[in-house]
Amino acid sequence: TQLLEQSPQFLSIQEGENLTVYCNSSSVFSSLQWYRQEPGEGPVLLVTVVTGGEVKKLKRLTFQFGDARKDSSLHITAAQPGDTGLYLCAPLGSWGKLQFGAGTQVVVTP
Amino acid sequence: DTEVTQTPKHLVMGMTNKKSLKCEQHMGHRAMYWYKQKAKKPPELMFVYSYEKLSINESVPSRFSPECPNSSLLNLHLHALQPEDSALYLCASSQQVTGGLGERTYEQYFGPGTRLTVT
Repeated sequence: TQLLEQSPQFLSIQEGENLTVYCNSSSVFSSLQWYRQEPGEGPVLLVTVVTGGEVKKLKRLTFQFGDARKDSSLHITAAQPGDTGLYLCAPLGSWGKLQFGAGTQVVVTP
Repeated sequence: DTEVTQTPKHLVMGMTNKKSLKCEQHMGHRAMYWYKQKAKKPPELMFVYSYEKLSINESVPSRFSPECPNSSLLNLHLHALQPEDSALYLCASSQQVTGGLGERTYEQYFGPGTRLTVT
């Protein structure tokens, strides 16, 4: 079982500010996914990263996969209240098995 | 249609009751999953079905019994649950996709969950 750490656990910022969420492990990931979960809903897939050093952008969200494939980050530029949610990272296992990190609760206030 | 539906939305049951949670998808996905999520915690995988066969059981107690009657449906039968089993139960389905570099990954679609309270 890979030990997965997400930081920070909680982040509260004002609209328009930037934020970064981190996902780290001592093990190498073959691939990793980021999800966002809003209250009362299931998680929604944001991105899958596979290649070391990879950078993917989804509008104001930028995802990076570390060169050694042991860490990943999610950066949000000019956060909006709609970005509020629980951000979860998870390495992808066989049969699509996901083992989520503890998550980062992000609150963006107007 | 990228929707996974779950019924009921809320369920309250006693420790001696028998109930079932239902999950349905019509995306043609051949892998389906059950997760349990406690408050302020991430979802924890319980079961994985692939092509209607149980592929992974994460050492879940036998009071939880999954069933996959066909490729679109996934049930979770509940019997003699404990109060600590109260949680949000999430269903998901996934398809295998090939990325731009030829890598194969899974994209999971989650339902909204069933909020279960055991009294």
